[in-house]
Amino acid sequence: DAGVTQSPTHLIKTRGQQVTLRCSPKSGHDTVSWYQQALGQGPQFIFQYYEEEERQRGNFPDRFSGHQFPNYSSELNVNALLLGDSALYLCASSPPGQYYEQYFGPGTRLTVT
Amino acid sequence: AQRVTQPEKLLSVFKGAPVELKCNYSYSGSPELFWYVQYSRQRLQLLLRHISRESIKGFTADLNKGETSFHLKKPFAQEEDSAMYYCALSPRGTGNQFYFGTGTSLTVIP
Repeated sequence: DAGVTQSPTHLIKTRGQQVTLRCSPKSGHDTVSWYQQALGQGPQFIFQYYEEEERQRGNFPDRFSGHQFPNYSSELNVNALLLGDSALYLCASSPPGQYYEQYFGPGTRLTVT
Repeated sequence: AQRVTQPEKLLSVFKGAPVELKCNYSYSGSPELFWYVQYSRQRLQLLLRHISRESIKGFTADLNKGETSFHLKKPFAQEEDSAMYYCALSPRGTGNQFYFGTGTSLTVIP
């Protein structure tokens, strides 16, 4: 099991564009959470998906949206990119009934120019 | 509003010395507290959870509700403990949302 995987590893976008990041959870996990980590900061909770629905959402604008597929993989979409969206985006998955047992992926480094 | 504060961005200790990484939180309800660790070139991973009261890799953390603190301690630091440590809070009952501190980078000097 490769654990949590994320793609792409890095990408560069221009202000105003849209981006989609992908996450495959660890085998057997059904919950996926997304975090934004700016340089020198801790991870900030964006939202969590469970049973293909957004279960919890952090303090992020509607430009940030997501999706979870029947195989539990997930996407994070960000529209109308701003320079301030440049960050490391982390995905974490959790096994059924153990929300606290988060397994993190390596992250996707997004740079907005 | 929930908030997690880690006052030290950098902390250096000598091998064999005691280490304490500070974490203070603000939350009106009853939180669950965690410590996560990220070793060099590795992923962020759960170190310990206050409710389990376990000692992981020699580390312990006690929840002090009076002082709203959850400091991480180890009596004798090892070189392999050098890493980035994050304190995190999850409001009890939500089970879903985590608030992380800004992290403390620990360096253990040989």
